[in-house]
Amino acid sequence: DAGVIQSPRHEVTEMGQEVTLRCKPISGHNSLFWYRQTMMRGLELLIYFNNNVPIDDSGMPEDRFSAKMPNASFSTLKIQPSEPRDSAVYFCASSLNPGANTEAFFGQGTRLTVV
Amino acid sequence: GEDVEQSLFLSVREGDSSVINCTYTDSSSTYLYWYKQEPGAGLQLLTYIFSNMDMKQDQRLTVLLNKKDKHLSLRIADTQTGDSAIYFCAEFGAGSYQLTFGKGTKLSVIP
Repeated sequence: DAGVIQSPRHEVTEMGQEVTLRCKPISGHNSLFWYRQTMMRGLELLIYFNNNVPIDDSGMPEDRFSAKMPNASFSTLKIQPSEPRDSAVYFCASSLNPGANTEAFFGQGTRLTVV
Repeated sequence: GEDVEQSLFLSVREGDSSVINCTYTDSSSTYLYWYKQEPGAGLQLLTYIFSNMDMKQDQRLTVLLNKKDKHLSLRIADTQTGDSAIYFCAEFGAGSYQLTFGKGTKLSVIP
């Protein structure tokens, strides 16, 4: 397996534009996480899906952020409209199940810059 | 609430040992993890320890857990330039489904 695949690797967009980040989890994994990484706040969990269903979206900062998982092999994180403070690295991670003793595998991340 | 704290920077000379420290607040943590993030890459699991263990050794890595003080450390023996990365401490609380990460310690290895 190629691991968790995220696209694009880098995204530069203007303030006010819509941004869509994509993630393909590892085949067979039923838990998917979206994280945001910034210097100031470190890694923050945005949303967690289990079996394609959003279980906890309490980390989503505002209504401008939305995430979907239409099937087991694809998820998107959308920001509309984007703002400069959304600039960060966004990671997607997947694991076999939500238990404590299963490893979370991370994608390479999408570096988002909003100007 | 849950909180995981680490110092932000550590600098060591090649060949020396590195010790990265972490404190956490959730006494119900079942597993504690160390993840490594190399530049431009995602996080990769390095090692983990179950809460009923005091120590775990894996080649050059030694994890020490002091559950009473809620203190976790990662020791890297014979540190190499390839060990330069950000190291994240993370905990998994009982009944939880998510990892709580520290902000990461950036390890710089001086040749």
